[in-house]
Amino acid sequence: DQQVKQNSPSLSVQEGRISILNCDYTNSMFDYFLWYKKYPAEGPTFLISISSIKDKNEDGRFTVFLNKSAKHLSLHIVPSQPGDSAVYFCAASGPRGNLIFGKGTKLSVKP
Amino acid sequence: ETGVTQTPRHLVMGMTNKKSLKCEQHLGHNAMYWYKQSAKKPLELMFVYSLEERVENNSVPSRFSPECPNSSHLFLHLHTLQPEDSALYLCASSQEVGQGLSSYNSPLHFGNGTRLTVT
Repeated sequence: DQQVKQNSPSLSVQEGRISILNCDYTNSMFDYFLWYKKYPAEGPTFLISISSIKDKNEDGRFTVFLNKSAKHLSLHIVPSQPGDSAVYFCAASGPRGNLIFGKGTKLSVKP
Repeated sequence: ETGVTQTPRHLVMGMTNKKSLKCEQHLGHNAMYWYKQSAKKPLELMFVYSLEERVENNSVPSRFSPECPNSSHLFLHLHTLQPEDSALYLCASSQEVGQGLSSYNSPLHFGNGTRLTVT
């Protein structure tokens, strides 16, 4: 059973608009959440994270929101750029600190 | 070189072959990981090494055998693999800070992976 779910396998957005990527988790013991970005033929790279003591973390065009009661987090990218086109993985840190990943959402930003 | 380097980038092997994947990190981290990424599946954690000691083996078949000779190098030895083992194998490293319940890991730094095809 998946503990971290990204229910949208793909998302297409127009350049300049907002991209919203969603992630749900089932384990209430998770206390640290991360987003990774992956280009083809490259490994995932860390993008942004949030601790469970916060509900929002912002870094430039990227903002992560955490709703603990709903066990839901989202990544907002605004404005979206063509270079943001990649696969985005949500990950949660379990009790022993190891990361549990979602299946990823492929974002396409069209010029 | 900086970051996490994996070799080879691509590997094709028969089911009776023995091969090894290599990973090297230049970040001064003290924890290293092997992950497997199969099509349409989440990244699956295979092994974790912390301070060169294996701390986790996620029910991985014995045909995969990891080795961590020092904190900068990690190997994955492969033998008698099956076609369903074809996947992208990713190495990662992180810095583990603290001990026990108060420990935490910095975000993982991944290599670019080895694309393995078993024929």
